[in-house]
Order: sequence, then C-alpha cells, then structure tokens
Amino acid sequence: KAGVTQTPRYLIKTRGQQVTLSCSPISGHRSVSWYQQTPGQGLQFLFEYFSETQRNKGNFPGRFSGRQFSNSRSEMNVSTLELGDSALYLCASSLVTSEDTQYFGPGTRLTVL
Amino acid sequence: AQKVTQAQTEISVVEKEDVTLDCVYETRDTTYYLFWYKQPPSGELVFLIRRNSFDEQNEISGRYSWNFQKSTSSFNFTITASQVVDSAVYFCALSEARGSGAGSYQLTFGKGTKLSVIP
Repeated sequence: KAGVTQTPRYLIKTRGQQVTLSCSPISGHRSVSWYQQTPGQGLQFLFEYFSETQRNKGNFPGRFSGRQFSNSRSEMNVSTLELGDSALYLCASSLVTSEDTQYFGPGTRLTVL
Repeated sequence: AQKVTQAQTEISVVEKEDVTLDCVYETRDTTYYLFWYKQPPSGELVFLIRRNSFDEQNEISGRYSWNFQKSTSSFNFTITASQVVDSAVYFCALSEARGSGAGSYQLTFGKGTKLSVIP
C-alpha cells in the first residue's frame, strides 16, 4: 500500500507570496493532519480534516488555512508568507478516529526569502 | 493541557551499546495514546509504536523495547545493541482521546532526542 505523499518536496518563495502544499493520504484513510516543524518550536499541530471538514485547529494565525477534498486529499495554504514560515510541513493520515495511528509523509521543505 | 518532555537533547553511543531514550508526559485525560516516531535525515516521521493508556504491558520488537509506567508518567524507549542505522531524531508524542471535536486528532510532540551511533 502506498504511503502518504506530499508535493512539492521543496519550495522557495519570497516574503508576501502565498503557497499551496498538497497531501495525498494512504488509501482508505479519511483523516488528514498537518504539522509544522521548525528548529525553534519543534513539531506543532496546524489542523486536522475529516470528511472535508476541519475538525481541529492548532494555534496558528489565519494566514494558514487548509481544505480537504472528497477523495480525502488535502491542501494547505499559507498567504502573505513571512520569513518565520520557513519550515518542514508534514502531513499525516489516519483511518478515522483519535484511536488510529497517524502515518506521516516525507514533508515539504518551504524556504521563505 | 497535554505536554511531552524529552529531557535528552542529544545522545551519542558507540555501536552495539544499549541506549534508553526518556519520555515524560502530562495529561489530565484518563484515556490517551502514546507514540514513538523516528525521523531520519530524510525528514519523514516513521511510526515505531503506539501504546494505549489502559495497557501498561511493556513491548519488545526486535532490538527495540518500550517501558510504559503510568505511575511516573513515563514511556521510555530502549535500543539494544545499537547500530549506525539507528542514528536519527526520535520523537515521543501524546494524543488525548477527546479533542476539540468528537474523534478529532492532535498529536503533541516532545522536542526530540537526536541519537548518534558511532561505528
């Protein structure tokens, strides 16, 4: 079974631009979560989607948004990029509930110049 | 609020030595889940183990073993006879069964322990 895939793997943007990252979950998984990893803050939860609805949200500004499609694929968008948004963005998928294990993709490395 | 503490930032061991990575957690929930993930230099988080709060049995998988003790809120991870391929950053994580929405999912991670196995 194929794992979680994320595209693109690497991205370079400049301040003020916006970016869209994509995540395809493991087949059959309906929950998709996004995390930001930085050297200073570590791994932080962004949001979680299930059945095209945001089910949980972390403590990030409104510039960070996401959505989920009917096939469970998910995208996250960051608008008006700031230098501090440079990070590894990891997507994880799980079957349905909080009892299910999350499996992570390889991440998208975003660099903001 | 839930919290995970991995006090060891970096550990170096010589190949074939045993090493234990510590994890201490805080939660007010009676039902929760604990995880260990491995992050090699490639960046992907690789799932290693999940333990439910109501199951305190220790687990062994090959050279890996985990010791879960609710009395001390700890979930430690031991690698026996370490190998160079074990070099990575290891994360302990916690998820409470009850999130902001029914069944919603949020992992809280520790800061990670960077393990270097020297040949």
